[in-house]
Amino acid sequence: GAVVSQHPSWVICKSGTSVKIECRSLDFQATTMFWYRQFPKQSLMLMATSNEGSKATYEQGVEKDKFLINHASLTLSTLTVTSAHPEDSSFYICSASYLAGGLKTQYFGPGTRLLVL
Amino acid sequence: GDSVTQMEGPVTLSEEAFLTINCTYTATGYPSLFWYVQYPGEGLQLLLKATKADDKGSNKGFEATYRKETTSFHLEKGSVQVSDSAVYFCAPPRGKLIFGQGTELSVKP
Repeated sequence: GAVVSQHPSWVICKSGTSVKIECRSLDFQATTMFWYRQFPKQSLMLMATSNEGSKATYEQGVEKDKFLINHASLTLSTLTVTSAHPEDSSFYICSASYLAGGLKTQYFGPGTRLLVL
Repeated sequence: GDSVTQMEGPVTLSEEAFLTINCTYTATGYPSLFWYVQYPGEGLQLLLKATKADDKGSNKGFEATYRKETTSFHLEKGSVQVSDSAVYFCAPPRGKLIFGQGTELSVKP
């Protein structure tokens, strides 16, 4: 089946530093990837839609200068949390759209846990 | 627009009990429907899907039937196990998959 990986799986950083999270589709090409964040015991909050070769589309309330998204190839999207602060600590999950047999299915990465001290 | 309404949790069951998690949807046309599961500390995994009306998706003992007449896609399992403890998400049709709260299931031995 379609596999999506994320790296790193967890990261601890100091306040003010930037953190880059990678999302890869391992066995398929994904023109569209999505980035979510999830707080404990809560649902996924869609942050942005990442489109290969073009600018990401951000959801309302998400700071595009804070959360930089780059989708440079059909198998890789990156999310950079710039000047991270403790309130950015969260579980970040990406997903990729896989089209097979006329059915578009979302496959999710395992998530990246970010802790900002 | 397309959306789902999912039964709120948490749901606590004893091992081998019958499980139903309700999900109803609103959508134009007959889109494909999905259930995802999130185990503690992990991302979401596709559990099952149905592509058209009256289709039944199944996986790991879970089943869900795409019922056009009631616009529902309820998740069922005849005998739950402790390892089924997780959060279950009924995914809204189409679009960017804006997820609801999910339903947390806790199975006690």
